[in-house]
Amino acid sequence: ELKVEQNPLFLSMQEGKNYTIYCNYSTTSDRLYWYRQDPGKSLESLFVLLSNGAVKQEGRLMASLDTKARLSTLHITAAVHDLSATYFCAVETSGSRLTFGEGTQLTVNP
Amino acid sequence: ETGVTQSPTHLIKTRGQQVTLRCSSQSGHNTVSWYQQALGQGPQFIFQYYREEENGRGNFPPRFSGLQFPNYSSELNVNALELDDSALYLCASSPGQNYNEQFFGPGTRLTVL
Repeated sequence: ELKVEQNPLFLSMQEGKNYTIYCNYSTTSDRLYWYRQDPGKSLESLFVLLSNGAVKQEGRLMASLDTKARLSTLHITAAVHDLSATYFCAVETSGSRLTFGEGTQLTVNP
Repeated sequence: ETGVTQSPTHLIKTRGQQVTLRCSSQSGHNTVSWYQQALGQGPQFIFQYYREEENGRGNFPPRFSGLQFPNYSSELNVNALELDDSALYLCASSPGQNYNEQFFGPGTRLTVL
């Protein structure tokens, strides 16, 4: 059974600081997604990583994928309050089935 | 182009009742997947429909069932509701059954009392 583990599960950081969220998974996959979820809302797609070594950046967020290590990272640069949300990674297996991590609840404090 | 829509937005039911949730897929998408997200957890895969056939199922009991219609819209039915069925139910559509990005709808919040 595929396991997807994120850490940390809770992250409180100050505005302007940098931090990284980690996503480890237990089986071979070349496709990994990062989503953002605000309280009571649906999932907003952030990044689609489709191959080993893939790196994508959007604003203050950058995601990378190392399929050999079965590890993806989501790096936050110079955090701002608007980034406060829960972030999920999800690994895709055959049949477009997504297995999600537990989520990282990020709070950015002034 | 219309995105994925779901109805209703919120629903309150009592234990033992039955519920039907609905999802309209994005234009051009023939595959619909359903996920259950309990409070404080990540979404869990329920099942997927491709061209009106079930195409994969997660670890959910048979009282969770579904349909996909010729226009690729879909229903999720849950019988004999239990308190633990309270969750956000998310529908996602994609243009094919294998390795295509899924686009999520706004979800249906189900509360079972």
